[in-house]
Amino acid sequence: QQQVKQSPQSLIVQKGGISIINCAYENTAFDYFPWYQQFPGKGPALLIAIRPDVSEKKEGRFTISFNKSAKQFSLHIMDSQPGDSATYFCAASTEGYQKVTFGTGTKLQVIP
Amino acid sequence: GAVVSQHPSWVICKSGTSVKIECRSLDFQATTMFWYRQFPKQSLMLMATSNEGSKATYEQGVEKDKFLINHASLTLSTLTVTSAHPEDSSFYICSATSGRLSYNEQFFGPGTRLTVL
Repeated sequence: QQQVKQSPQSLIVQKGGISIINCAYENTAFDYFPWYQQFPGKGPALLIAIRPDVSEKKEGRFTISFNKSAKQFSLHIMDSQPGDSATYFCAASTEGYQKVTFGTGTKLQVIP
Repeated sequence: GAVVSQHPSWVICKSGTSVKIECRSLDFQATTMFWYRQFPKQSLMLMATSNEGSKATYEQGVEKDKFLINHASLTLSTLTVTSAHPEDSSFYICSATSGRLSYNEQFFGPGTRLTVL
């Protein structure tokens, strides 16, 4: 029940295109859903996060869409750039529980 | 704000030796710190959770005597890999959080690459 499933495992997108990464969870107690971006040899950095009381959150080119009934959430990267090439992890946690459950990761490559 | 550092960034050691990795929160007091392990092309696996001044809580399957964690202050946690072996070679990442930060947000360090020969 603690698992967070993430797809696809890898993704190649052309510059200017839209990158879409999907995640699904089972534990309905999860109430915080962050996305992390990780470059090779570096630690993850928080990109954007959402709580289940909203269906969408947008920050610049990054948008999280959240479907509470389906227990799914996704990251959309608009106008993808080569600098966005990294591994993206979705995650989930519960208030006060602090532990974060990570998805399996998606390696994104944006080609010119 | 909310910067976490790790030292060293990489370390190579001989089999059987011990290695200490430091994790520091530079601009906030971290009530809780987490240690993760990440193998190439894999996700982060939580090893243990440590709260300042108390014993660390280890995840199932993580050897407490092999991975010693000390969280002596609100800004410093250390992970000591004792009697390291080649299978301990991995990327170790710490993160920190504070009750003052929003919604359990964790801030990650840059990671430490451990290679055991």
